[in-house]
Amino acid sequence: QVQLQQWGAGLLKPSETLSLTCAVYGGSFSGYYWSWIRQPPGKGLEWIGEINHSGSTNYNPSLKSRVTISVDTSKNQFSLKLSSVTAADTAVYYCARAAEGSGSYFYYYYYMDVWGKGTTVTVSS
Amino acid sequence: SSELTQDPAVSVALGQTVRITCQGDSLRSYYASWYQQKPGQAPVLVIYGKNNRPSGIPDRFSGSSSGNTASLTITGAQAEDEADYYCNSRDSSGNHHVVFGGGTKLTVL
Repeated sequence: QVQLQQWGAGLLKPSETLSLTCAVYGGSFSGYYWSWIRQPPGKGLEWIGEINHSGSTNYNPSLKSRVTISVDTSKNQFSLKLSSVTAADTAVYYCARAAEGSGSYFYYYYYMDVWGKGTTVTVSS
Repeated sequence: SSELTQDPAVSVALGQTVRITCQGDSLRSYYASWYQQKPGQAPVLVIYGKNNRPSGIPDRFSGSSSGNTASLTITGAQAEDEADYYCNSRDSSGNHHVVFGGGTKLTVL
């Protein structure tokens, strides 16, 4: 059973860099996208970005200028860095495993089947 | 980029059937995946692909799709189904982005 364990600093000051890491236990690292998602207090889910085992990344265009997602396949870990944080970046941050492929009748599928427990990050002076 | 639209809130009487919908252009190419989130917990995948349930998800949860609309149906809603539900897919415009719907708060009366 695949599990994701995430950690990182929970309290930041404005302008600092958020740094979180997610470790993958019990499964293959290849063949999936490894994603970061956040949820501001009382709001919905927002996709931050993803990386695959070879290091190919996709980022939410609204955050792209500040986000870096990296992978360490030797440790089965992937990481998120978000620079120049403000109070608007206060949220619960989740890591997740995503699978994608082609289904029937030219339809594709994409889903996130394993999630970390979440890390609460607060940005406050 | 693509967006996914959900009704903010839906209610259902205990034991009755409820449908939660998700609309978006990406759903013409991608099956929606559906997530249940209870307060203070991480989201849990409940439906993926054409109509697949992960292990441990009750069979009262089902999914369907038509055109640009995907639906999550709960047949015989239980009190423990009260939660927020989110749909999700890859953006089909070729930019490889991922989108979530705004979420639907399900109340079981």
